[in-house]
Amino acid sequence: AQSVTQLDSQVPVFEEAPVELRCNYSSSVSVYLFWYVQYPNQGLQLLLKYLSGSTLVKGINGFEAEFNKSQTSFHLRKPSVHISDTAEYFCAVTDIIQGAQKLVFGQGTRLTINP
Amino acid sequence: DADVTQTPRNRITKTGKRIMLECSQTKGHDRMYWYRQDPGLGLRLIYYSFDVKDINKGEISDGYSVSRQAQAKFSLSLESAIPNQTALYFCATSDPGTGLIGEQFFGPGTRLTVL
Repeated sequence: AQSVTQLDSQVPVFEEAPVELRCNYSSSVSVYLFWYVQYPNQGLQLLLKYLSGSTLVKGINGFEAEFNKSQTSFHLRKPSVHISDTAEYFCAVTDIIQGAQKLVFGQGTRLTINP
Repeated sequence: DADVTQTPRNRITKTGKRIMLECSQTKGHDRMYWYRQDPGLGLRLIYYSFDVKDINKGEISDGYSVSRQAQAKFSLSLESAIPNQTALYFCATSDPGTGLIGEQFFGPGTRLTVL
């Protein structure tokens, strides 16, 4: 079964600084990868996804992620963060469990932007 | 109007009480899911349903039951609530038939506290 590890539980950065949120998954077989964002007191919404093709994926709000098959990683980056990016970010991977495709989530990374 | 709604948004209950969390969706998706979110653990799947007649246990189904009353409605019940069921609960939907492989759409969550 797949597992997802988000290497940092909390990441504090200053506004306009770059940020990278790290995500590793357990298997190198064909996978679909996702980053979801959860703003305070809200549900999760999709930030970006990798299904196939280009390994650099661009998402909403200026975020991008790079799929690295050899390192089984899918790190999320933004070159310049804004206060409004303060949120919790979840990496997720599809897995086949009980014959059905489902999402397996990482533990989450809380991104805090300081002025 | 939100595509996936959850009621109630907040609930405080006592140990041993029965409680039901409800989820409704207007997206027309066949697949629905219930997750719980705990700090540092990410989202864990409780139950999922791929259509009205198909209900399956997730990784942490003990102490929970579900009912799929219609394509649009999926309820989660705690028959006898206990304090370690205090968590944030999310409902989600998906429809891989539209090409949205693995992408799920989340409700705003229900914060449940069991005293």
